[in-house]
Amino acid sequence: AQSVTQLGSHVSVSEGALVLLRCNYSSSVPPYLFWYVQYPNQGLQLLLKYTSAATLVKGINGFEAEFKKSETSFHLTKPSAHMSDAAEYFCAVSDRGTGNQFYFGTGTSLTVIP
Amino acid sequence: DAGVTQSPTHLIKTRGQQVTLRCSPISGHKSVSWYQQVLGQGPQFIFQYYEKEERGRGNFPDRFSARQFPNYSSELNVNALLLGDSALYLCASSDPRSSYNEQFFGPGTRLTVL
Repeated sequence: AQSVTQLGSHVSVSEGALVLLRCNYSSSVPPYLFWYVQYPNQGLQLLLKYTSAATLVKGINGFEAEFKKSETSFHLTKPSAHMSDAAEYFCAVSDRGTGNQFYFGTGTSLTVIP
Repeated sequence: DAGVTQSPTHLIKTRGQQVTLRCSPISGHKSVSWYQQVLGQGPQFIFQYYEKEERGRGNFPDRFSARQFPNYSSELNVNALLLGDSALYLCASSDPRSSYNEQFFGPGTRLTVL
């Protein structure tokens, strides 16, 4: 089965600073990879997805992620944090074969300090 | 187009009771998945349905069941509720014709078991 590890359950950055949220997956075959954001008392919103078209993926709200097969990583970055970025972020993986099931990481809570 | 809708938004039950949660997918999406998100954790896969057939099941007891209707809406039923069933229940819809199995999430139903 797939698994996803998100290092750092809580990350704090200053407004305007670089955001880096880490995600590593376990799979011998590169899966489909996703980053979702969850604001308080809301569902999950897709930020971006990796589907093998390009290793550097750009998403909404200025976020991007780079797929590194050698490191089995898919870290999420944003050059300059904004107060509105404060939320919970989840990395998820889906098998290419069946695509039936998403496996989520435990999430990273991002705090942006004014 | 309307997104994924779920009802009710909040629910309070007592131990031993039964609960039914409802989900309507995005128009044109024939696949619905259910996830349980316990506070402080990532969503855990419960079921996936496609064309009224169960396509996948996560590691949940038989107290959990689901079904999908001809209009592709879905219900999740949980019997003999336990305190540990308290969670946010998320529904996601997807179009299996998509190569990437991208899932679109609803706002969730917050279940509290007392």
